Amino acid sequence: NAGVTQTPKFRVLKTGQSMTLLCAQDMNHEYMYWYRQDPGMGLRLIHYSVGEGTTAKGEVPDGYNVSRLKKQNFLLGLESAAPSQTSVYFCASRRLAGRNGQYFGPGTRLTVT
Amino acid sequence: DAKTTQPPSMDCAEGRAANLPCNHSTISGNEYVYWYRQIHSQGPQYIIHGLKNNETNEMASLIITEDRKSSTLILPHATLRDTAVYYCIVKETSYDKVIFGPGTSLSVIP
Repeated sequence: NAGVTQTPKFRVLKTGQSMTLLCAQDMNHEYMYWYRQDPGMGLRLIHYSVGEGTTAKGEVPDGYNVSRLKKQNFLLGLESAAPSQTSVYFCASRRLAGRNGQYFGPGTRLTVT
Repeated sequence: DAKTTQPPSMDCAEGRAANLPCNHSTISGNEYVYWYRQIHSQGPQYIIHGLKNNETNEMASLIITEDRKSSTLILPHATLRDTAVYYCIVKETSYDKVIFGPGTSLSVIP
């Protein structure tokens, strides 16, 4: 099992550019999440999905869009990148049944200049 | 979700047991205790969770007091790779977002 993987690991964007971050999980988990982590801020939830074809907003959704066309993939898009979106982005997934914890990916370090 | 309180930092000698405490005095009856850790520059890692019974898995043991107002995460034989920030979280369900507080920075010393 690869668990949760994220692509790319690092990226530098100029202000106004767009990009998509890919999260993939091979554990057949129903729930998937996108978080961002900034120094001193802890994890903040951007968007999440409770199943294929469904998405919902988290705490800080502005400037981001997501899609979950396949159960194993959760995409995070930045339409017009801003310096305030410089952060480390983590994807996580969780099984529907039971009260299990979330499994996180290794993160994507994004810098917007 | 109930608030948790953890010491900001702890040291542990390599090979010894690391006992990380967490206070959650306002926990309600249907709230679970979860532990995660984050090694520097890596993604958070789920460790263990429990409701009222003690729990053990391949990574750690979780001891919850009878009144459920506090718990202890035990790493039985700490190694240098266990150096990380450990987060105690109290949640009713785990399909909601994870909110990490400051956590406890554990340093395992050779």
